[in-house]
Amino acid sequence: DSGVTQTPKHLITATGQRVTLRCSPRSGDLSVYWYQQSLDQGLQFLIQYYNGEERAKGNILERFSAQQFPDLHSELNLSSLELGDSALYFCASSVGIGTLAGNEQFFGPGTRLTVL
Amino acid sequence: AQTVTQSQPEMSVQEAETVTLSCTYDTSESDYYLFWYKQPPSRQMILVIRQEAYKQQNATENRFSVNFQKAAKSFSLKISDSQLGDAAMYFCAYRSRDQGAQKLVFGQGTRLTINP
Repeated sequence: DSGVTQTPKHLITATGQRVTLRCSPRSGDLSVYWYQQSLDQGLQFLIQYYNGEERAKGNILERFSAQQFPDLHSELNLSSLELGDSALYFCASSVGIGTLAGNEQFFGPGTRLTVL
Repeated sequence: AQTVTQSQPEMSVQEAETVTLSCTYDTSESDYYLFWYKQPPSRQMILVIRQEAYKQQNATENRFSVNFQKAAKSFSLKISDSQLGDAAMYFCAYRSRDQGAQKLVFGQGTRLTINP
């Protein structure tokens, strides 16, 4: 158990709908990362938040948005869903943004999204 | 932009034997981190081993070791005394030491099968 929790574990929805994925980082971790794992794109970085502020953006679609709340949990919002958005969405957390100790990222169990 | 390439989509090895998974990467940076992650059927991402580019000594974690060739931009993973529980997808990943670029860049993965 990495200490990172993600809910829900599975989500099945229809095209055009909107969903919210939730992530709680490890205790003490200030940085949260979102990754998407799909069959055709592999594992891709979406976005990073540090202590409530957006830190870095990757290949995140405009239909997707995220935020990190004062209690440090994060939510990834996916809207106008398409079939191609079906994927495993991982959240990871790390202590901070410095280089100390390699700033290891601990992954949650993921949320499997199926868009029908 | 950094890229990571794993040229072996699948590998298999007999239980108790040794197997080496290959990874190459491309970067213009001189200092960075490299990782191997394991993803078993449970889909959890588990850190196997980490290498800091400024360290010449190859990292070792029990039965797992790496062969880090910085000039060749190669980072292979050796698994000794393979066990059935080692069966998984293995991902090579790169991370900059730049505090503004903390994302992990993953390779396409290698599926490792252990034959009893």
